[in-house]
Amino acid sequence: DAGITQSPRHKVTETGTPVTLRCHQTENHRYMYWYRQDPGHGLRLIHYSYGVKDTDKGEVSDGYSVSRSKTEDFLLTLESATSSQTSVYFCAIWADTYNEQFFGPGTRLTVL
Amino acid sequence: ELKVEQNPLFLSMQEGKNYTIYCNYSTTSDRLYWYRQDPGKSLESLFVLLSNGAVKQEGRLMASLDTKARLSTLHITAAVHDLSATYFCAVGKRGGGADGLTFGKGTHLIIQP
Repeated sequence: DAGITQSPRHKVTETGTPVTLRCHQTENHRYMYWYRQDPGHGLRLIHYSYGVKDTDKGEVSDGYSVSRSKTEDFLLTLESATSSQTSVYFCAIWADTYNEQFFGPGTRLTVL
Repeated sequence: ELKVEQNPLFLSMQEGKNYTIYCNYSTTSDRLYWYRQDPGKSLESLFVLLSNGAVKQEGRLMASLDTKARLSTLHITAAVHDLSATYFCAVGKRGGGADGLTFGKGTHLIIQP
């Protein structure tokens, strides 16, 4: 499982509230990612990080911010959640040894 | 903008039959990834194709990459029910993958007895 955990695994919140999702890895990978998965869209990249305090936007970054203050943790924040952000969120890491990304278990977020 | 298109998006087939899933992408890349996802689960890596002409096989699944045609195929031989899942192909934004992947919409495969 590449040592990736996500928390919480499920969350229900109300429109307008802030939400933070956490991704934690134990294998010191440099690159980390946040994707969202929606029916009919596959997975879409939100933000990624290429080191501590180094982040960049993906294709669907509006309404999201990220932070990485230490190698093992990558946080995704919805400052003011909207119903359109109801989705399944996956964290991933880049494994240099295998030249590929491995994914965490996912967080199901529902915004009412 | 990189675009990745899979077809078909939905496939229902019988056990024992063969079929191919196609993945086309719009920009130059010499790396392509295939993932499998079971309902309610995360993505599981199936194949990493790293060069033109690459072919990889695992059990009843075989993947190939033609970078000149910007096409990858995932071939299923003598399908069995356990292969029912959603299959995604993905391409790196700048030919690699470390700066993020662009995914196809997925092929939902149902294999019936």
